[in-house]
Amino acid sequence: GAGVSQSPRYKVTKRGQDVALRCDPISGHVSLYWYRQALGQGPEFLTYFNYEAQQDKSGLPNDRFSAERPEGSISTLTIQRTEQRDSAMYRCASSFAGTGYTFGSGTRLTVV
Amino acid sequence: AQKITQTQPGMFVQEKEAVTLDCTYDTSDPSYGLFWYKQPSSGEMIFLIYQGSYDQQNATEGRYSLNFQKARKSANLVISASQLGDSAMYFCAMILSPESWGKLQFGAGTQVVVTP
Repeated sequence: GAGVSQSPRYKVTKRGQDVALRCDPISGHVSLYWYRQALGQGPEFLTYFNYEAQQDKSGLPNDRFSAERPEGSISTLTIQRTEQRDSAMYRCASSFAGTGYTFGSGTRLTVV
Repeated sequence: AQKITQTQPGMFVQEKEAVTLDCTYDTSDPSYGLFWYKQPSSGEMIFLIYQGSYDQQNATEGRYSLNFQKARKSANLVISASQLGDSAMYFCAMILSPESWGKLQFGAGTQVVVTP
């Protein structure tokens, strides 16, 4: 696609539910990144992939968070047993070898 | 550990004036890259400018320039001739080993408000 597409744009979920956030990167972009951004703060790295391989997951806050990119294109970030502190904007970005990062519009997650 | 610091939480600037946004970084890695992003109220992340640690000259992109002082580990963004549309949150970010395009580490951001 022309840009990085994230869905849903907004997600409200009850505490304890699982959520899956989707990212569709720019076609041909090898690398895909997930970030979390709390209100009024800078994005915080979660994890990234080159093709389907998860290269770094050091930013995932705990084992309730996981991500996959099974075919090296679309990625899903899953949060299990959501908690209120998980409420944030979740951003995806993609890049291709030195061409810079392109960010998606994000998914605003609210856990009530 | 690497760190990005933006010490100005917010600032006002008058239209047509220049503004400098501060960014300092801390890394012992000789190879790194520094970015500036703009985030307007709409929430998108807009790439502004990039500086590699081995670049000899300061980066410029239109009204944006990066004042790179390697010895001081600072990478300040200068916006010349501010416009009302420049009102936004601005983030400085760093990547280690740019050739591998790994994770970006962001600062806390500076909120800029341009007044008429």
